[in-house]
Amino acid sequence: EADIYQTPRYLVIGTGKKITLECSQTMGHDKMYWYQQDPGMELHLIHYSYGVNSTEKGDLSSESTVSRIRTEHFPLTLESARPSHTSQYLCASSEGGPTEAFFGQGTRLTVV
Amino acid sequence: AQSVSQHNHHVILSEAASLELGCNYSYGGTVNLFWYVQYPGQHLQLLLKYFSGDPLVKGIKGFEAEFIKSKFSFNLRKPSVQWSDTAEYFCAVNVGGNQFYFGTGTSLTVIP
Repeated sequence: EADIYQTPRYLVIGTGKKITLECSQTMGHDKMYWYQQDPGMELHLIHYSYGVNSTEKGDLSSESTVSRIRTEHFPLTLESARPSHTSQYLCASSEGGPTEAFFGQGTRLTVV
Repeated sequence: AQSVSQHNHHVILSEAASLELGCNYSYGGTVNLFWYVQYPGQHLQLLLKYFSGDPLVKGIKGFEAEFIKSKFSFNLRKPSVQWSDTAEYFCAVNVGGNQFYFGTGTSLTVIP
């Protein structure tokens, strides 16, 4: 069983609010990822990190930001939520080299 | 950018029927290949993976996949599906041990 945790699981928030989605892993993995998942669509990589103080934007343009101050923690922040941000956000981690990614349960965000 | 194509978006089968889900990728170099499954309300879980060696790989719950390099394919198979196999299935490619690229997913419904 993978040890990667996301909170909250569900969030309904008003337009313009600032929100932070939490992601933590206890496996000591250097690499962490945030994906956006919509029904019937592929998972889109929005941010990734290869280690502490390393963050990069993914292929899908996103207005969110991330930080990686500690190996185990990779929070995602939206400064001003909009209805277009409504989606499911998945956090994942992996070791270096060829290996699989482990996923959290996801956060389903609804912006009203 | 890499692309991963899953040609079957929705599949409906009766129990005991055989399953084959197609997956093609666009990258021509060395790749690591994965199939993930997402049961309703649960997180993405690894079904099986291919890094090198025998192109026929076996995973959990009776699933297997065959890597055919010349066709850039990694199709998932199961000889006899069960109702509990109802889920969303995602093919993924990892290049160079870095980012993971996912297909759009295939929704499988197994009718008892």
